[in-house]
Amino acid sequence: SQQGEEDPQALSIQEGENATMNCSYKTSINNLQWYRQNSGRGLVHLILIRSNEREKHSGRLRVTLDTSKKSSSLLITASRAADTASYFCATAVTGGFKTIFGAGTRLFVKA
Amino acid sequence: NAGVTQTPKFRVLKTGQSMTLLCAQDMNHEYMYWYRQDPGMGLRLIHYSVGEGTTAKGEVPDGYNVSRLKKQNFLLGLESAAPSQTSVYFCASSYSFEQYFGPGTRLTVT
Repeated sequence: SQQGEEDPQALSIQEGENATMNCSYKTSINNLQWYRQNSGRGLVHLILIRSNEREKHSGRLRVTLDTSKKSSSLLITASRAADTASYFCATAVTGGFKTIFGAGTRLFVKA
Repeated sequence: NAGVTQTPKFRVLKTGQSMTLLCAQDMNHEYMYWYRQDPGMGLRLIHYSVGEGTTAKGEVPDGYNVSRLKKQNFLLGLESAAPSQTSVYFCASSYSFEQYFGPGTRLTVT
C-alpha cells in the first residue's frame, strides 16, 4: 500500500490563484519531500522538510508538516501556466533508507 | 554535466524476450534506484543500490534483476518480459535523500 497519498488527485485553477495539495502518510518519517513531474519527463525535486520542522519556504512554494496528523501540504502561490504538472510527495521512513512516493496530484493552471 | 541519463528512451518487446535498461550518472552519487511508474500508482521502487557492487530489493522486484559493477552505472534487466511489465521506468541517483531522476524509458511488452 502507498505510504503517501495525495489529495486531491487533480486540481484545475486559473493563473494567479493559489494551489494547495495535501499528502497523508502512515508511519513515522525522517523527512518528507515534494517533487514535480512535467508530462513525459522525470521527477524534479522541489523541497525537503525534516520531521522536526513545521514549515518551509522556497520561492513561491510553502510546505507545512504536521507529524501528529501525519500530513503535509504544498502551497504554490500566484500560480502560472508553467506550474502545470503532477506533484508527488515522498516520505523517507524513520530508520530506513528508501523513499516512498505517493500517487500524485495533477495540477492544471489555465492561462 | 549530463546528470542522469537512461538508454533506451523507448522499446517494444514481445512476451518472453529479454532486455537491459542502462542508467548512468555523472554526479558521483553513491545511491541509485530503479522505479516503475504506472497510471494512478505513483512510483514504485524495483531495486536500489547503496554503492558500487551492492544491490537490494525494493517494493516490486519480481521479474527484474540489477547490477552495479561501476559506481556510475546501474543496469536493470528483464529476463523474460511479460505484459505486466509494460510501464515507464525511471532511474534516479542521490548522495542523500534528494533524488535526481533520468528522463525515463517507456517499455511496451506485447
